[in-house]
Amino acid sequence: ETGVTQTPRHLVMGMTNKKSLKCEQHLGHNAMYWYKQSAKKPLELMFVYSLEERVENNSVPSRFSPECPNSSHLFLHLHTLQPEDSALYLCASSLGTSNNEQFFGPGTRLTVL
Amino acid sequence: LAKTTQPISMDSYEGQEVNITCSHNNIATNDYITWYQQFPSQGPRFIIQGYKTKVTNEVASLFIPADRKSSTLSLPRVSLSDTAVYYCLVLNDMRFGAGTRLTVKP
Repeated sequence: ETGVTQTPRHLVMGMTNKKSLKCEQHLGHNAMYWYKQSAKKPLELMFVYSLEERVENNSVPSRFSPECPNSSHLFLHLHTLQPEDSALYLCASSLGTSNNEQFFGPGTRLTVL
Repeated sequence: LAKTTQPISMDSYEGQEVNITCSHNNIATNDYITWYQQFPSQGPRFIIQGYKTKVTNEVASLFIPADRKSSTLSLPRVSLSDTAVYYCLVLNDMRFGAGTRLTVKP
């Protein structure tokens, strides 16, 4: 058990659906991250939150909308996705954003039809 | 883009020592070097972290030369379960490169 949980573990959605991915960390960390990992590609950093403030947004399309209501929870709201958005979405947390080990959740396997 | 470069893949046999080298020529003074392991359809898992010289834990050793422009992860006596992708990360960057796919054969 890594202390970082993600739900759902699997999600299938149509291009017109709206869904949300949830991440929760029980480690008392102050930073949380969303990564995308497409098949046979490196992890892509999407968003970084530190103390509930977004500190990095790597040119992610607006159809992905993050939300960090508190330091323990991170959401990724999805709407009008494309089939190429199908991937493993990983959440991670760390004590801070500088030189701190990241703890990853198990990921959500997303399929967009 | 990640600030690190690693071999794409490596093969080894059970019981051998495996050394994976990572280049990070533009590492900053305050950057630490961290290695992660990832199995298919799982999140990466921390292995080891270091700043300079040598660090050892129960899983691996990390060797960092004085110029810190590279680092080598050493896995002693690998087993089949060590088959995974290994990532070198300059920690302040938070960006993962392609990693090294290690395949351990019987």
